[in-house]
Amino acid sequence: GQQVMQIPQYQHVQEGEDFTTYCNSSTTLSNIQWYKQRPGGHPVFLIQLVKSGEVKKQKRLTFQFGEAKKNSSLHITATQTTDVGTYFCAGNNNDMRFGAGTRLTVKP
Amino acid sequence: GAGVSQSPSNKVTEKGKDVELRCDPISGHTALYWYRQSLGQGLEFLIYFQGNSAPDKSGLPSDRFSAERTGGSVSTLTIQRTQQEDSAVYLCASSLAEAGEGYGYTFGSGTRLTVV
Repeated sequence: GQQVMQIPQYQHVQEGEDFTTYCNSSTTLSNIQWYKQRPGGHPVFLIQLVKSGEVKKQKRLTFQFGEAKKNSSLHITATQTTDVGTYFCAGNNNDMRFGAGTRLTVKP
Repeated sequence: GAGVSQSPSNKVTEKGKDVELRCDPISGHTALYWYRQSLGQGLEFLIYFQGNSAPDKSGLPSDRFSAERTGGSVSTLTIQRTQQEDSAVYLCASSLAEAGEGYGYTFGSGTRLTVV
């Protein structure tokens, strides 16, 4: 079945440093979604990527979808303490499967 | 409703008892997922409902787990003869279309199940 791998599992950065999480699928995806889960909260939808090679930006967040539509990345520029949480990718190919998530902690 | 509602928010049950978890999705959302999340872990897919189609039950970990969705709206996840390893947060998510096509999923706040 479809497998979605996400790395790294944890990332600790100093406030102001950049952060990137990567997502890889064993199969070609129709689209990929990204979610953020704050500590103690539930996942909240951030964005969806559909097109091969697509790049989308939300303020300091940049999302990319690979040319083969099998990988994606989320990059945060100049992290802030409010960025703390776990970032999940979710790959869609008939159904939606989540990666294990990357837990980001930010030291002020 | 305004969001996805799950009940109860917390459930403590004795090993061997049956439990029922409820999910009330956003009105009009045709797609509904159940996921399980253990402490500090990722989201484990359990089951997917889309409209009137047969549900995708491929993620249910054992035959003790079952789920139904009545009238294309409310869904209940039933765990029979609960075991301690069933302890987790059970999350429900709904979306306007199938498999997140063009739409993100809205998650409920989850039911924290503790089996003692």
